[in-house]
Amino acid sequence: AQSVSQHNHHVILSEAASLELGCNYSYGGTVNLFWYVQYPGQHLQLLLKYFSGDPLVKGIKGFEAEFIKSKFSFNLRKPSVQWSDTAEYFCAALSRAGGFKTIFGAGTRLFVKA
Amino acid sequence: NAGVTQTPKFRVLKTGQSMTLLCAQDMNHEYMYWYRQDPGMGLRLIHYSVGEGTTAKGEVPDGYNVSRLKKQNFLLGLESAAPSQTSVYFCASRHRDRSFRDTEAFFGQGTRLTVV
Repeated sequence: AQSVSQHNHHVILSEAASLELGCNYSYGGTVNLFWYVQYPGQHLQLLLKYFSGDPLVKGIKGFEAEFIKSKFSFNLRKPSVQWSDTAEYFCAALSRAGGFKTIFGAGTRLFVKA
Repeated sequence: NAGVTQTPKFRVLKTGQSMTLLCAQDMNHEYMYWYRQDPGMGLRLIHYSVGEGTTAKGEVPDGYNVSRLKKQNFLLGLESAAPSQTSVYFCASRHRDRSFRDTEAFFGQGTRLTVV
């Protein structure tokens, strides 16, 4: 079955530290990949997406992600986190082979200490 | 822009009661989804719809039913609520994009349901 795995469930960082959240997917073939963010008490919002072309994708708020096809990975990065980045982050995947369903990882809770 | 609107935002049910959650989107999206979010489990797909009049089961469909009588609305029903259905429910919608480009989902604000 198709799945999305996120490596870390909880991450605690100090402000200005660098962030990398891991994501692996099990789809074959053409795949769309996404990172969503959920701030406390809010709904999910799109951070960035990959569908083709340049494997390094830049999103909002200084986030970026790199698609590495050979590793089935789509890791999220930010060079210097802020307290306002405290949120839960979800990796998601959508493939032609998987039909019309977007599948989400379990999420990573990030807490940034001021 | 309203986007995706869910009603109600909060609800407490007694075991065995029934209720319907309403999702409405004003973006003319073809696809609509219902997810439940539980701690440590991410979002799990309950049911989805690829167009008016069509529905399909997701990962965790048991205990839920859905209907999509109008393109803009997607209803999630609980016929006999159980404590295991205590969760936060999110509705989402997206375009059916033939070029496979604009396929990100847009989410509602969520419904926090407690079954006692």
